Amino acid sequence: RKEVEQDPGPFNVPEGATVAFNCTYSNSASQSFFWYRQDCRKEPKLLMSVYSSGNEDGRFTAQLNRASQYISLLIRDSKLSDSATYLCVTGGYQKVTFGIGTKLQVIP
Amino acid sequence: ETGVTQTPRHLVMGMTNKKSLKCEQHLGHNAMYWYKQSAKKPLELMFVYSLEERVENNSVPSRFSPECPNSSHLFLHLHTLQPEDSALYLCASSQEPANEQFFGPGTRLTVL
Repeated sequence: RKEVEQDPGPFNVPEGATVAFNCTYSNSASQSFFWYRQDCRKEPKLLMSVYSSGNEDGRFTAQLNRASQYISLLIRDSKLSDSATYLCVTGGYQKVTFGIGTKLQVIP
Repeated sequence: ETGVTQTPRHLVMGMTNKKSLKCEQHLGHNAMYWYKQSAKKPLELMFVYSLEERVENNSVPSRFSPECPNSSHLFLHLHTLQPEDSALYLCASSQEPANEQFFGPGTRLTVL
């Protein structure tokens, strides 16, 4: 089983739609959780950290369910500029693990 | 945007060449990383340095040799690479291992 599992997509959604991604992780000792965004042929960039109580940043909401070992990212009112690959990341002792990423394509 | 820099941005080399990739971070971080990203594969962690000590080596072939002379600089020395080593090589840094990481723009490597 992969340490961090994501549906690679692609998710094709119309502008203005709400889209949600889930990610599951296998290491129950994971202590930190993040969502990164990666544009085509560019480096990954931190989108947001994920806290146990859930957190929101504008149109983006991240949630963590430790009992079920999954992380979610909700994007409201999708923009064309949201088109990218979204990477789920977990952190543990001395390491972080990246998922394969979920590709989002927002369509006009 | 210039927190982590990498040079060169593009590199084409033959299998018998020796080259080095350079990474520099200007964020005052204590940990630095090398990743390999191939098409349709997740990021593969290659090496982790924390306070200039190597703490992780994910069974990377010896044709890749890292060097961390200080907490701001990280090198990846390459020799006798194979065509399947062609990929995007990303450097990252973080305050501590397991904290959020900041990536450089990467070196796109092609091995002929």
